[in-house]
Amino acid sequence: SYVLTQPPSMSVAPGQTAKITCEGNNLGTKSVHWYQQKPGQAPVLVVYDDTDRPSGIPERFSGSNSGNTATLTITRVEAGDEAGYYCQTWDGTGDHPVFGGGTKLTVL
Amino acid sequence: QVQLQESGPGLVKSSETLSLTCTVSGGSITHSYWSWIRQPSGKGLEWIGYIHFSGNSNFNPSLRSRVTMSVDTSKNQFSLRLTSVTAADTAMYYCASLSLSYFDTWGQGTLVTASS
Repeated sequence: SYVLTQPPSMSVAPGQTAKITCEGNNLGTKSVHWYQQKPGQAPVLVVYDDTDRPSGIPERFSGSNSGNTATLTITRVEAGDEAGYYCQTWDGTGDHPVFGGGTKLTVL
Repeated sequence: QVQLQESGPGLVKSSETLSLTCTVSGGSITHSYWSWIRQPSGKGLEWIGYIHFSGNSNFNPSLRSRVTMSVDTSKNQFSLRLTSVTAADTAMYYCASLSLSYFDTWGQGTLVTASS
């Protein structure tokens, strides 16, 4: 099965930039999607197809994907960005969606 | 805008069957694929399966032997059945719409506890 690896946690000061990584074999050949999950809430899609943002998601959220690593970048981090972030793609057969283990972002 | 709402028992006895329903509002259930995803407390997201009103479906290989999904177009609902539950099936269960390759709308989730 296809495995996506994320750092379990990271911290960043307000106003700084957070870069959350997601690693997988030849991940750059796949489309990667990112979800934000605040405590007690359902996940929300924040980036899809590597770089696109759904309506209503701030421009501070952006994505990239190359080689074996996809990255979610959050600029000018705010206290409200404190959440879990999950990457998602599909396995090698294209039949099964796969999630990364998630990264808990703490805003200092 | 499509909205999703899960419903079903919050407590299921071990070895029995978990049954949940997701009601779709603001859009037709025939216009998308629909999925179930679960999350044990403090852990990550696990995809359970997806289904289309046509009957096309696919399930997580680790759960396939215990999972059934169905669609009721007359009620704009889709459902999940998971048999022979154990404590390991205790989790928050989410329904979601699957748009091409990503989950664009999620329900608020429903907590299911499997207990003896």
